[in-house]
Parts: sequence; structure tokens; C-alpha cells
Amino acid sequence: GAVVSQHPSRVICKSGTSVKIECRSLDFQATTMFWYRQFPKKSLMLMATSNEGSKATYEQGVEKDKFLINHASLTLSTLTVTSAHPEDSSFYICTPDRVGTDTQYFGPGTRLTVL
Amino acid sequence: AQSVSQHNHHVILSEAASLELGCNYSYGGTVNLFWYVQYPGQHLQLLLKYFSGDPLVKGIKGFEAEFIKSKFSFNLRKPSVQWSDTAEYFCAVIAGSSASKIIFGSGTRLSIRP
Repeated sequence: GAVVSQHPSRVICKSGTSVKIECRSLDFQATTMFWYRQFPKKSLMLMATSNEGSKATYEQGVEKDKFLINHASLTLSTLTVTSAHPEDSSFYICTPDRVGTDTQYFGPGTRLTVL
Repeated sequence: AQSVSQHNHHVILSEAASLELGCNYSYGGTVNLFWYVQYPGQHLQLLLKYFSGDPLVKGIKGFEAEFIKSKFSFNLRKPSVQWSDTAEYFCAVIAGSSASKIIFGSGTRLSIRP
């Protein structure tokens, strides 16, 4: 069964609105969660690393004020796309840190379409 | 910064042909290497991984990859492809023994002609 879930799986919103994406680790505690985005026919680009109870670490070029990340518990990390614009339309994927194991589970992804 | 290169952007093969997809990484230390597959409309699935030991790694669905440290390469191979192998293939690396960020290559789209 699924080890990592994301909600919603698909969302369509108007330009200027904010969208929250939830990522849950179902079978284990995730101290750290990685957030990726994938453009159509492109690779996955690491956006940020969220750490439970502390501020997220953003990759170069990713606007922290636009992509708000919260990691309030060991099983839930959220990514909020604020004031979304059409260029934010993408596929957002989360994966918990599994350092020390040989398994990396990816969430099923959330497809965001901004009109 | 660490990076992963996949030089084949789109590969088109006939069924039963042999496959080799190139992957090179840039990092001089310890690496963990992965190949992921993404079938149309589906999320990423792990094909195989290399952490240590035998540099020839066998994965699911008949895929294998060879880690050649001197060439910084981790090419994916399959002796005879099937139409169902049509997908996007991503090479990925975790650089460093204590790191955990996965860095992905740009991906290779594999199209198999029936």
C-alpha cells in the first residue's frame, strides 16, 4: 500500500489564489521531507527541504515567500503556493528523508494548474 | 554542486532491441545511485539502486545497471525491451555518505515501437 500520500492529487485554481498541498508519511516518522516540482516532460527539481519543528531550507532560485513550507509534525509536511500564477503550474512531489535505509518513497504527486 | 547528466533525451527502439541509457554524475566522493521509471500518468518507481558492493546491480523487470567509478557513470541496460517499457527514465544520485538530497538527471524518454 501507499507509504506516502499527497492531497489533493489534482487542483485547479485561479491566478492570485493560494493552494495548500499536504504530504503525509503513513508508516513511519519523517523528520525531513523533500519537495520537488516537475515540469511537463522535464526532470524533478528539488525545491526545498522541510525539517520538523524548524524552518525549511530552500534551493537556490526558489522563492521562500512564494512556496511556504510547514512541517508541523513527524508525519505531515505542507507546501503552500501563495498568490499562484500560471507559471506555477506544475507537478509537485514530496518524499521523506530515508537516509540510512535503501528505500526512497515518493508521494504520488499533486498536479497544480493555475488559470 | 553535484549534478547528474543524462545525454539521451529521447530514445526510440523496436521491441526486442537492447537498451543502454547513459548516466554520468559529478561528485568525487561516496555516492548512492538510483534509476527511477515513470510510466505515463504514474508516479516514480524505483528500478534499481547502488549503495555499495557489486557494481553490477540488477533491478526489477529485467533492468540492470553498472557503476563504473572511474567513469563516474551508472548506465542502465536491458537486453531486450518490450513495448511496456515505454516510459521516462531518471537517473539520480545522493552525494556523500551523510547527505540525503536526491538529485535527478534530466530524464530520458524511451519509446518502444511494437
